[in-house]
Amino acid sequence: NAGVMQNPRHLVRRRGQEARLRCSPMKGHSHVYWYRQLPEEGLKFMVYLQKENIIDESGMPKERFSAEFPKEGPSILRIQQVVRGDSAAYFCASSPQLGTDTQYFGPGTRLTVL
Amino acid sequence: DAKTTQPNSMESNEEEPVHLPCNHSTISGTDYIHWYRQLPSQGPEYVIHGLTSNVNNRMASLAIAEDRKSSTLILHRATLRDAAVYYCILRVNSGGSNYKLTFGKGTLLTVNP
Repeated sequence: NAGVMQNPRHLVRRRGQEARLRCSPMKGHSHVYWYRQLPEEGLKFMVYLQKENIIDESGMPKERFSAEFPKEGPSILRIQQVVRGDSAAYFCASSPQLGTDTQYFGPGTRLTVL
Repeated sequence: DAKTTQPNSMESNEEEPVHLPCNHSTISGTDYIHWYRQLPSQGPEYVIHGLTSNVNNRMASLAIAEDRKSSTLILHRATLRDAAVYYCILRVNSGGSNYKLTFGKGTLLTVNP
């Protein structure tokens, strides 16, 4: 049973470009969370999605960031017009539909903005 | 979310027990205590969680104070692979299915050979 998969593992972008981070949850999991970890800091919640719905986006920056979790395919975290301050590790986590709040994390995508 | 307080760092020797403390004096009656750990360059990993009673699993034990204002994660025999940042998190019962986690700075555990 494959774990949470994220790709790419490393992503380099120049200022002003777009970054797309993908997350495939564990099989049977319909809840996805995205977290960001800035250098030397703890993880910060960004957004919580269920299939085709954004449930809580209270941690998302107001501009340039968006997330989706379509009916088919992986969850996508999109960052438009990246700036140096977006350089961080982005982790997604998934959990089963019901019955547990344990989250299973992926290996993360390390975004570097030049 | 309710706040937790952990030491910034701790050291242990290999094959010795490790007790990682966590204070959560503002915990409410329905808040679960969760522990995750993050090994270097990896995503966090679930360790254990509990509400009132002590809990054991294959990775660790969780001892919860009677007043629930503190808890201790116990690694019975530390190995070099246990070197990680350990996060104590209160999972606030806000209803629905939103179980977002609020991470603090955690405790950096160093294990000496």
